[in-house]
Amino acid sequence: DQQVKQNSPSLSVQEGRISILNCDYTNSMFDYFLWYKKYPAEGPTFLISISSIKDKNEDGRFTVFLNKSAKHLSLHIVPSQPGDSAVYFCAALAGGGNKLTFGTGTQLKVEL
Amino acid sequence: AAGVIQSPRHLIKEKRETATLKCYPIPRHDTVYWYQQGPGQDPQFLISFYEKMQSDKGSIPDRFSAQQFSDYHSELNMSSLELGDSALYFCASSGGLAGPIHYEQYFGPGTRLTVT
Repeated sequence: DQQVKQNSPSLSVQEGRISILNCDYTNSMFDYFLWYKKYPAEGPTFLISISSIKDKNEDGRFTVFLNKSAKHLSLHIVPSQPGDSAVYFCAALAGGGNKLTFGTGTQLKVEL
Repeated sequence: AAGVIQSPRHLIKEKRETATLKCYPIPRHDTVYWYQQGPGQDPQFLISFYEKMQSDKGSIPDRFSAQQFSDYHSELNMSSLELGDSALYFCASSGGLAGPIHYEQYFGPGTRLTVT
């Protein structure tokens, strides 16, 4: 039962343009969401997070949007850079718990 | 800045052997988490510890056990290894705030376990 889903396994974007990565969840108990970036042979790197009491959080080139009614969140990267090419995981926490539930990941490729 | 340290980075074991993975959290972090990532899969939560006590438990087989020590490092012990245990094992840590509820988890580079 995949409670956090990233329906696009891959995404290709040109350098300088916006990258939009999407994530859907089914568990209404999730109240905190995180995005991680992962390079091959490395651990996930924390990027940005958002609490369910907010609908937007911005940090530099990264912005996360949360639509609670649709159980959907998205990560916007603008402008995209070649170094952003990696696998991006959406993850969620429920009710103050410690267990991160990950999505299946989206491979982002930023082309020159 | 200091990150989460995991050792070893690579480990090859035979079926039915045992393995011990170690994790050293970021300084002043008091919570550690273990995740398993199989080939082509997302990381799956195994177990977590806060202040040396187990705080949450996921899909960890009974053949596996873990603990957190007084210096906050953690060890994941895996016995009677099976071929299906071959995976990347990530440790993460969090902390710096009072109480057991932390949000951002910071991951180590992982240990790649291969069981032959």
